[in-house]
Amino acid sequence: QSELTQPPAVSGALGQRVTISCTGTYSNIGGGYDVHWYQQFPGTAPKLLIYVNNNRPSGVPDRFSGSKSGTSASLAVTGLQPGDEADYYCQSFDSTLNAWVFGGGTKLTVL
Amino acid sequence: EVHLLESGGDSKQSGGSLSLSCAASGFTFSKYAMAWVRQAPGKGLEWVAAISGGGGSTYYSHSVNGRFVISRDNSRNTVSLQMNSLRVGDTAMYFCAKDQGGSCGTDCYPTGVDDYWGRGTLVTVSS
Repeated sequence: QSELTQPPAVSGALGQRVTISCTGTYSNIGGGYDVHWYQQFPGTAPKLLIYVNNNRPSGVPDRFSGSKSGTSASLAVTGLQPGDEADYYCQSFDSTLNAWVFGGGTKLTVL
Repeated sequence: EVHLLESGGDSKQSGGSLSLSCAASGFTFSKYAMAWVRQAPGKGLEWVAAISGGGGSTYYSHSVNGRFVISRDNSRNTVSLQMNSLRVGDTAMYFCAKDQGGSCGTDCYPTGVDDYWGRGTLVTVSS
């Protein structure tokens, strides 16, 4: 059981917008620790998608955006494309564990 | 171009030991913290350990603390993970990751932002 809770799966129609939530506690997200997001396609290594809550590395389309409020964070994907089908993970630091933690991951399906 | 190449994955019996290595290139290795992240078959990502750029600070998940040791050789641009007292639950693909880094003081501490990843090396532990 992860300290960061994500929905196991989300889906959206081609071209639509979806959000993936990441719910934490006051020992991680709510404690002011930054949230990062990773994208992973089957059989490949994860890729950094969003860092420090809402920043995109170069090369990541602006269709991907992140936000954080209270003990939760969200990843939004607009203009859904078939190539967005992947697993998405949030990550933050947990002060109780004194370690970085990942959410359980969310599988995004484009209908 | 940043490149990370893991090696050392193998099949071991419970209670055994294994050492993983990650060869890095394309950046000033000693200026960046490094991390190991694992993924059990069909499961999500699990952060395992991290080490500062100078090697003076190490960090571990509770699940491996006391059994695994992360180290680095800045003269060879490699980071290693010594895995002892292996358990069936350690079975996973192990990824090496470069920390994005920030400002370095006396050392370059991990930020938790892993901006480059290797392809991984598979560790299988059987009972």
